[in-house]
Amino acid sequence: DQQVKQNSPSLSVQEGRISILNCDYTNSMFDYFLWYKKYPAEGPTFLISISSIKDKNEDGRFTVFLNKSAKHLSLHIVPSQPGDSAVYFCASRATGNQFYFGTGTSLTVIP
Amino acid sequence: DTAVSQTPKYLVTQMGNDKSIKCEQNLGHDTMYWYKQDSKKFLKIMFSYNNKELIINETVPNRFSPKSPDKAHLNLHINSLELGDSAVYFCASSHSLGYREAGYTFGSGTRLTVV
Repeated sequence: DQQVKQNSPSLSVQEGRISILNCDYTNSMFDYFLWYKKYPAEGPTFLISISSIKDKNEDGRFTVFLNKSAKHLSLHIVPSQPGDSAVYFCASRATGNQFYFGTGTSLTVIP
Repeated sequence: DTAVSQTPKYLVTQMGNDKSIKCEQNLGHDTMYWYKQDSKKFLKIMFSYNNKELIINETVPNRFSPKSPDKAHLNLHINSLELGDSAVYFCASSHSLGYREAGYTFGSGTRLTVV
């Protein structure tokens, strides 16, 4: 029973344009959401987070949007750079310290 | 100066063998985790230890046994390995209270292949 879904396994974007990665969740009790970035042969690294009391959080080129009514969050990267090419995971938390991860979206930024 | 290190990076073994994966963190975190990433790229928690005590134990075969000798180490021992155990296993750590700011810190993964 996958509570966090990333329905696009891959995405290609031209350098300089906006990348939008999407994530849907099913558990309305989720109160905290994170995005992780993963390069090949490395572990995921934390990118940006958002609490359920907010609808937007921005950090440099990265912005996460949360739509609680739709149980949807998205990660915007603008402008996209070739170094952003990686797999992006969203993760959500309901209680305690346990996060549920999506299956990831592989982003390719084309120079 | 790796924050979360796990060994080995690659492990190829035959069915029925027993193997261990080691994990160490030097971040001063008090909580450590094992995650499994299967062939469908789904990252799923297996175990979580806080200050050497088990706090999360998902539905995992009892052939998998975590051991935490101290809060900086969380090892994973697997008995009687099966083909379906082939996956990438990630160790991670966090502060129990401060995880919100940075989430988990992951190791680079151990790719286990059972033949």
